[in-house]
Amino acid sequence: QVQLVQSGAEVKKPGSSVKVSCKASGGTFSSYAISWVRQAPGQGLEWMGRIIPILGIANYAQKFQGRVTITADKSTSTAYMELSSLRSEDTAVYYCARECDSSGYERFDYWGQGTLVTVSS
Amino acid sequence: DIQMTQSPSSLSASVGDRVTITCRASQSISSYLNWYQQKPGKAPKLLIYAASSLQSGVPSRFSGSGSGTDFTLTISSLQPEDFATYYCQQSYSTSMYTFGQGTKLEIK
Repeated sequence: QVQLVQSGAEVKKPGSSVKVSCKASGGTFSSYAISWVRQAPGQGLEWMGRIIPILGIANYAQKFQGRVTITADKSTSTAYMELSSLRSEDTAVYYCARECDSSGYERFDYWGQGTLVTVSS
Repeated sequence: DIQMTQSPSSLSASVGDRVTITCRASQSISSYLNWYQQKPGKAPKLLIYAASSLQSGVPSRFSGSGSGTDFTLTISSLQPEDFATYYCQQSYSTSMYTFGQGTKLEIK
């Protein structure tokens, strides 16, 4: 059974950075892309970017370009999302999600439990 | 970017009702459309992928249809555990996935 386990909640100051981890087990980590999705309090889902671990290639939503970095460590089956220059509007739950593309249609079939990042002075 | 618009934003229904939620894309996305269910404090759960394929383990009362720009999620007979928020998501553009704003399904 595939599991994605994320790191714990964080409280950060405005202007600082946060790095959230997502450790995969039960599947072939490198073969699937991992996306990061966030959800501000009471709001909808917002896709931030993705990485294909086997290639080490990441792409990002334009909104986060220059502020987000997504990496993957194949040796530990762990993906990371680092967001810099934090502001209060970045307070949200951050999810990692595995992309399955069997039959040629990508979808997020497994999700981490979410990591609450609170940005407050 | 491809914009996804869901309607309605909220919906009240009773156990046993048939419910339909719609999702419209700002451009054609073929069948690259997924549906998720999210309950408070939990991660989203995949229900339907490729517009109409039922994810393994999801009850058959959930179904999806559509292609191009217009899609629907139907719950044939609402169960108490179905009251949640539902999101559509396009996977046509892998460089920029987008979600609909969500539809909150509440008990009448």
